[in-house]
Amino acid sequence: IVLTQSPGTLSLSPGERGTLSCRASESVRTTYLAWYQLKPGQAPRLLIYGASKRATGIPDRFSGSGSGTDFTLTISSPEPEDLAVYYCQQFGSSPITFGQGTRLEI
Amino acid sequence: QVQLQESGPGLAKPSETLSLTCTVSGGSISGYYWSWIRQPPGKGLEYIGYIYYSGITDYNPSLEGRVTISVDTSKNQFSLTLSSVTAADTAVYYCARLNDYGDYRLDYWGQGVLVTVSS
Repeated sequence: IVLTQSPGTLSLSPGERGTLSCRASESVRTTYLAWYQLKPGQAPRLLIYGASKRATGIPDRFSGSGSGTDFTLTISSPEPEDLAVYYCQQFGSSPITFGQGTRLEI
Repeated sequence: QVQLQESGPGLAKPSETLSLTCTVSGGSISGYYWSWIRQPPGKGLEYIGYIYYSGITDYNPSLEGRVTISVDTSKNQFSLTLSSVTAADTAVYYCARLNDYGDYRLDYWGQGVLVTVSS
C-alpha cells in the first residue's frame, strides 16, 4: 500500500491550526494506521495509533482522524517544539509502509 | 519503561555484510514483535522487517534475499544482518517494538545508529 502525504512542507505560525494529510492507495483499517514525529538526532516518537488514539504523554493539541483511504493528523495550536517531520504508517498490508513525510515549520 | 539501544559498526565496506544488534531493557522481549527501520540521508523511513520473539520473521521484499533478522531471548536482544551492501544502504538504522495488542504501532524506538557504506 502506497501512502501519500501532503503537503510536503507545512508552514504555520504558533497557534495556527495545521492539518496533515495521509492518503492510502488502498483502504486501511483504522487499527493499522499510525503517525510518528521525527526530530533530528532523536528517536522517532509515536503520536497516534488506531488512526485516532493519542499515545501516552502526547499533548492533546495532536489529534488523528480518518478512515478508509484518507487520514488526517491535526495540530490544533502548534508550538515551536513541534518543528519536525511527521510520518504516517500502515500495518494492514505487507510490506509495512510509511508515507514520505510532511515537514512542519513553525 | 522499555528502552532499546542499537549497537554495531558505523562503517561497512561495499559488498560486505552489515550487522547490528538491538538490546531491549526495562521489559521482556517475549510476547512482542521487534522491527528494524532505516532512514537514508535526506529521505524518509523505510521498513526493513520484523521478528516475533518465537522467531517468525517478515521482510520487506525490496531487501529480501539480503536481510536476516534473528532474536536471542536469553540476552533480550535481536539482530539485523544485511549482506552485499552498497552506498544505497547508508542510513540511520532504528530498532523498534511492534505492539499488536489492540491497535498496531511502533511504540518504543531506539535512538538510531548511522551506518555508512564506503570503501
